[in-house]
Amino acid sequence: AQKVTQAQTEISVVEKEDVTLDCVYETRDTTYYLFWYKQPPSGELVFLIRRNSFDEQNEISGRYSWNFQKSTSSFNFTITASQVVDSAVYFCALSEMRGSQGNLIFGKGTKLSVKP
Amino acid sequence: DTEVTQTPKHLVMGMTNKKSLKCEQHMGHRAMYWYKQKAKKPPELMFVYSYEKLSINESVPSRFSPECPNSSLLNLHLHALQPEDSALYLCASSRRDGSNTGELFFGEGSRLTVL
Repeated sequence: AQKVTQAQTEISVVEKEDVTLDCVYETRDTTYYLFWYKQPPSGELVFLIRRNSFDEQNEISGRYSWNFQKSTSSFNFTITASQVVDSAVYFCALSEMRGSQGNLIFGKGTKLSVKP
Repeated sequence: DTEVTQTPKHLVMGMTNKKSLKCEQHMGHRAMYWYKQKAKKPPELMFVYSYEKLSINESVPSRFSPECPNSSLLNLHLHALQPEDSALYLCASSRRDGSNTGELFFGEGSRLTVL
């Protein structure tokens, strides 16, 4: 069965600290996609990154970086020098194909609080 | 233009009311979704429309009635709701072609309160 586990329910850090959000997934598919979304208090789910199962290259985008390791089925997300504006709930998600229709399986989310 | 627009942003309704949530996208996506998100929970899939036809219904109660009038619009008609239906309702869209990677674009959601 498809499953995404985000073991950290809540994390609190002080501004400028680095923080890593963990994500572990389960899938029987050989081709799949992994995503991270940010949900600020306003409610919108903001797309951060997509990674396909054949590309294990780590990615860096500004203060954000992602570490994808197929061997451990993990797709962790690190924020460097955190800022108050990073406070949000972060969801890791796994794509599933139902027929030819894509859908997302979400983890339970990690609430990140960055204090000044 | 990568926007999914949802209206209204907030809705309060009684259990006997009939109301509708609306969603619009202009990205040319041919798949549109309704998700329900309770507080402190991840989004849960309700319905998927593909080429304006209902392709997935996750056993949602009939008091929720989706409608896809055209490729850009998605409605969710609400009738005789219960207080436990209070939640954030998120609309999303995605490509529906061979390059579909499952990436969904979400709106800001409609926060529904049922009294």
